[in-house]
Amino acid sequence: AQSVSQHNHHVILSEAASLELGCNYSYGGTVNLFWYVQYPGQHLQLLLKYFSGDPLVKGIKGFEAEFIKSKFSFNLRKPSVQWSDTAEYFCAVREGKLIFGQGTELSVKP
Amino acid sequence: EAGVAQSPRYKIIEKRQSVAFWCNPISGHATLYWYQQILGQGPKLLIQFQNNGVVDDSQLPKDRFSAERLKGVDSTLKIQPAKLEDSAVYLCASSLHIGEAFFGQGTRLTVV
Repeated sequence: AQSVSQHNHHVILSEAASLELGCNYSYGGTVNLFWYVQYPGQHLQLLLKYFSGDPLVKGIKGFEAEFIKSKFSFNLRKPSVQWSDTAEYFCAVREGKLIFGQGTELSVKP
Repeated sequence: EAGVAQSPRYKIIEKRQSVAFWCNPISGHATLYWYQQILGQGPKLLIQFQNNGVVDDSQLPKDRFSAERLKGVDSTLKIQPAKLEDSAVYLCASSLHIGEAFFGQGTRLTVV
């Protein structure tokens, strides 16, 4: 069955630190990949997406993600986090149906 | 463009009562999703529609949950009877056939 796994449940960083959140999925066919963010009190918003082409995709607010097909991974990165990046981050995979990971809560200390 | 509209925003009911949620997707979006998000967990797909047909409802507890999307536009999700463990945020999202999903604000259900 298709599944999405996010390795970190809660990450705490200081401002200006670099961020990498892991995401692995189980399905081996052609998939669409997404990262969504949920700021406190707000609805889920798209950060970035991968459908095809360049495996390094850039999203909003300085986020990027790299699709590594051989590792079934789509990790999210940001070189320097800000306090305003405090939120919950969800990886999602679509092959037919759209499935989400468990989420990673990011806390950035000022 | 207008976003995904959901109502109500909050609902408190007693166990064994019934409840219904409504969703109006973004105009032109053929795909509509209902998710259940329990505190501290990721959204769990309950049902996915393509126009007014069901793509997947494998995680929908069909003994108590039902959903419909008449005319391939707006949708309702019903729970009857509700259990304590149904307390969650119910999210509706929509997308074009190929494209990212756009989410509504959700309905927070508390079953007491």
